[in-house]
Amino acid sequence: DSGVTQTPKHLITATGQRVTLRCSPRSGDLSVYWYQQSLDQGLQFLIQYYNGEERAKGNILERFSAQQFPDLHSELNLSSLELGDSALYFCASSRGDYGKNIQYFGAGTRLSVL
Amino acid sequence: DAKTTQPPSMDCAEGRAANLPCNHSTISGNEYVYWYRQIHSQGPQYIIHGLKNNETNEMASLIITEDRKSSTLILPHATLRDTAVYYCIVRVNNAGNMLTFGGGTRLMVKP
Repeated sequence: DSGVTQTPKHLITATGQRVTLRCSPRSGDLSVYWYQQSLDQGLQFLIQYYNGEERAKGNILERFSAQQFPDLHSELNLSSLELGDSALYFCASSRGDYGKNIQYFGAGTRLSVL
Repeated sequence: DAKTTQPPSMDCAEGRAANLPCNHSTISGNEYVYWYRQIHSQGPQYIIHGLKNNETNEMASLIITEDRKSSTLILPHATLRDTAVYYCIVRVNNAGNMLTFGGGTRLMVKP
């Protein structure tokens, strides 16, 4: 158990819909990262938050947004869903912003868009 | 971050050492080598990291060549539960903290 909690574990929805994925980092970790893993793209970094502020952005679509709340949990919002958004979404957390910070991953949310 | 090259797949007999190679010939002096693994569709799991010296922890050993152009992750006594995709990642520690995953090596431990 990494200490990173992601909910829900599975999500099934239809095209055009909007969903919210939630992540609770390990106790004491200030950074949260979101990654997407699809069959054809592998594991890809989406976005990082540190202590409530956006720190780095990867290949995140404009239809996707995230935020980190004062209690440090984070939410990834996916809107106008398309079939190609079906993937595993992982959240990771680390103690700091950069440096030798090990990232610990949650178990993921499996999103199926039908 | 430097690019890495790993064999797509490897087999290992249960109880034997698994040696997973990684080539990172364009690594620069301030880049670390990290290893993560992903068992089935679980979240990636940190294994070990190093800069230039060999490192060992309870999970594995990391051997980095003197020129730092390649490294080997060693699982000393592989078990069936070590069957996973192993990712070698090279990154600078002070330039953002995102991990760039390549294709990794799919290790199959066989009885």
